[in-house]
Amino acid sequence: KNEVEQSPQNLTAQEGEFITINCSYSVGISALHWLQQHPGGGIVSLFMLSSGKKKHGRLIATINIQEKHSSLHITASHPRDSAVYICAVNGNQFYFGTGTSLTVIP
Amino acid sequence: NAGVTQTPKFQVLKTGQSMTLQCAQDMNHNSMYWYRQDPGMGLRLIYYSASEGTTDKGEVPNGYNVSRLNKREFSLRLESAAPSQTSVYFCASSGDRRREAFFGQGTRLTVV
Repeated sequence: KNEVEQSPQNLTAQEGEFITINCSYSVGISALHWLQQHPGGGIVSLFMLSSGKKKHGRLIATINIQEKHSSLHITASHPRDSAVYICAVNGNQFYFGTGTSLTVIP
Repeated sequence: NAGVTQTPKFQVLKTGQSMTLQCAQDMNHNSMYWYRQDPGMGLRLIYYSASEGTTDKGEVPNGYNVSRLNKREFSLRLESAAPSQTSVYFCASSGDRRREAFFGQGTRLTVV
């Protein structure tokens, strides 16, 4: 069973496009995380959310606790945004989605 | 500001060999975790330690052992490596499970 589901699994976009990645979860949580993993690299935390919306530069994360759903938006996408984006939630433990592989083409 | 440091970054083992993956964090975190990442499966918890001196099994503990040596260090041992243990391993730490997790750079392990 997958406590965290992400969509899409793969995404290709042209530079400058607006991108949305979705995450749904089925467990009770205290917080939701969006993580970024570059090819061959480590994992870094982009956001931790427990309600509402957060914005860092061109990245925006929202969460709807009632619907158990979160979205990660990237405005004016750039090739350097190419990475795997992972949704994770704090339930009894951390649960992770399988990731969305994003490629931004110049 | 090192954060979470994992060693080694790459390792190739023969079936049946043993090895220990080392992890250290300098953020005074109580909780530490070991995950494996396989294609199409996301991160899966192997073992975790909620505090110094305690360890608990995660989703996929078979074939692994851990030691929480002190608050800073949490090691993962493969006693007899198997090809099914070929994976990328990540160590992580957090203040507690309600807080942000910080990840090491990963160890790419191949068992032949």
